[in-house]
Amino acid sequence: EVQLVQSGAEVKKPGESLKISCKGSGYSFTSNWIGWVRQMPGKGLEWMGIIYPGDSDTRYSPSFQGQVTISADKSISTAYLQWSSLKASDTAKYYCVRAIMLTSPYFDYWGQGTLVTVSS
Amino acid sequence: EIVLTQSPGTLSLSPGERATLSCRASQSVRSSYLAWYQQKPGQAPRLLIHAASARATGIPDRFSGSGSGTDFTLTISRLEPEDFAVYYCQQYGSSPGITFGPGTKVDIK
Repeated sequence: EVQLVQSGAEVKKPGESLKISCKGSGYSFTSNWIGWVRQMPGKGLEWMGIIYPGDSDTRYSPSFQGQVTISADKSISTAYLQWSSLKASDTAKYYCVRAIMLTSPYFDYWGQGTLVTVSS
Repeated sequence: EIVLTQSPGTLSLSPGERATLSCRASQSVRSSYLAWYQQKPGQAPRLLIHAASARATGIPDRFSGSGSGTDFTLTISRLEPEDFAVYYCQQYGSSPGITFGPGTKVDIK
């Protein structure tokens, strides 16, 4: 059974850094793209980016390029989403997704979500 | 960037009724690379349909997708109580940007 298990909720202050995680199991982690989707409170879905853990090839949505860093540690089947300096507007739920990559990706499995709250 | 418009914004129906949800793209979606997701309150989205009409693993056959080009439809043949949720379409036929529609909420009449 494919599972994506994400790290727990975070409360941070503006300007702080943060790294959240997503552990994949039940499939070949190195042979599948994995990525992140943002959902701001009461809003829709926004694709942030994906990474191929086998060779660390990373693709970002133009909207999120330079704003976050996506990485993966294939030795522990875990993907990460990282911010160097959080803003209040980063408050959202972040979903880890397994991505099927064609011209662009669609997402066949989703993690449970990590709620990030940024407030002074 | 391809913009997706979903209609209606809210669909109020009773269990057992048929639901027809529309997703319209601002330009043609290459290869019918269009997916549909269901999101229930407090839960992660779930993939229902990919490639416009292919049901994902474990999805009941009351869910069906159709369409090509710029016009796509998700049909739920007979609504079950667990089907009341928000439905999003997503195109993945353009690079580098995928886009999601704003969603259609199906609620109980």
